[in-house]
Order: sequence, then C-alpha cells, then structure tokens
Amino acid sequence: AQSVTQLDSQVPVFEEAPVELRCNYSSSVSVYLFWYVQYPNQGLQLLLKYLSGSTLVKGINGFEAEFNKSQTSFHLRKPSVHISDTAEYFCAVSEAQGGSEKLVFGKGTKLTVNP
Amino acid sequence: NAGVTQTPKFQVLKTGQSMTLQCAQDMNHEYMSWYRQDPGMGLRLIHYSVGAGITDQGEVPNGYNVSRSTTEDFPLRLLSAAPSQTSVYFCASSYHQRNTDTQYFGPGTRLTVL
Repeated sequence: AQSVTQLDSQVPVFEEAPVELRCNYSSSVSVYLFWYVQYPNQGLQLLLKYLSGSTLVKGINGFEAEFNKSQTSFHLRKPSVHISDTAEYFCAVSEAQGGSEKLVFGKGTKLTVNP
Repeated sequence: NAGVTQTPKFQVLKTGQSMTLQCAQDMNHEYMSWYRQDPGMGLRLIHYSVGAGITDQGEVPNGYNVSRSTTEDFPLRLLSAAPSQTSVYFCASSYHQRNTDTQYFGPGTRLTVL
C-alpha cells in the first residue's frame, strides 16, 4: 500500500519570499501524485497533479511541483508567495495499474504568509 | 453547477444521538466518498461509492453507515454518536474511481459530539 509523508507540519514565510513544501511517498508500484490546497473554512481543491510525462508540473496560482522518482519526492514550490497563499496544503498519492485505486493523503502542511 | 454541497455546516450532538450528514453533487459523477479530517491526521477515507447501489468501506468505517440510492446523493449516517467522532467531514466526488481523477470536495460539516 502507498503512503505519503509531508515533512513539515507548519511553514511560516514572509510575503514575496520563495517557499518549498516537501512531500515524500512510498509505493511498490508506479504512482500518480497530487497537491490539494485548503483555504480557511473551505473544502480542498486541486492545485496540480502528475500523471506522466514531464516531471515538472505547473498548477494554479503560480505553484509548481517536481516529480523525482529516484528520491520518491514531489515537492511543491512557489517563487514568490502572497498573503492569499495562506492555507493548508495536502500531498496525495494513488497507485497506477496493479495497485490500490484509492487516494491517500498526507497529514498536511500549514503555510502561513506574513506581511 | 453548484458542485458538491453539504448540509449542515455545523452540528452539535450529544453522545448516543444519531444524525445524517447530507451530500449532493450535480456533476453526474459516478464516484463519491466521505472523509474525516482531524488535526495532524490529514484526511482519512470513511466510505465510498462507485455508483448508485454500490458502497464500500474505507480506512475508518466503524460507527458510520452510507447508502447510494441515486447518482446525486450520498448521505453519511452516524447511528450512535461518540466524542471520538468529533471532526470535520468532507464529501468528495469524481467522474470515476480512476486513480488519475481529480476529486471535487464539498465545503465540509463541522461536527462536535459532547
């Protein structure tokens, strides 16, 4: 079965600074990877996903993530954050053919952008 | 499209009471699911359904029942509420149960069991 580890539970940054939110996964088969964002008092929405092809994936709101198979990582990055990026970010993994079809979420990283 | 809707937004129950959390989607999605979100635990799958009349258990099904009589609706029932069920509950849907599909989430129901 697959699992996801988000290495930081909280990440505080200043506005306009770069940010990286780290995600590592474990699986015995190929995977699909997702980042979801949850703004305060809202449900989750998809930021980006990696299914195949280019390992650099661009998402909404200027976020991007890079799939690194050798390091089993899918870190989320943004070169310059805004106050409005304050939210909780969840990495999720599902297994490709032959594995579980269920989506497994990490425990989340709370990003706080300070002025 | 309203997307995924959930009612109520907030609920307080006493131990032993029962209630139903409602979830509806108007996107003609086949796959629907219920998650609970607890601090530091992320989202955990309670039950899911791949279509009308078909349901199955997720990671944490104990204490919850579901049914899927229509494509649109997927209610979650708490038969006898316990304090351990205090949580935020999210309903989600996707076109299919394909592992590449984007999940669409409702706004959540915040439940407190006293």
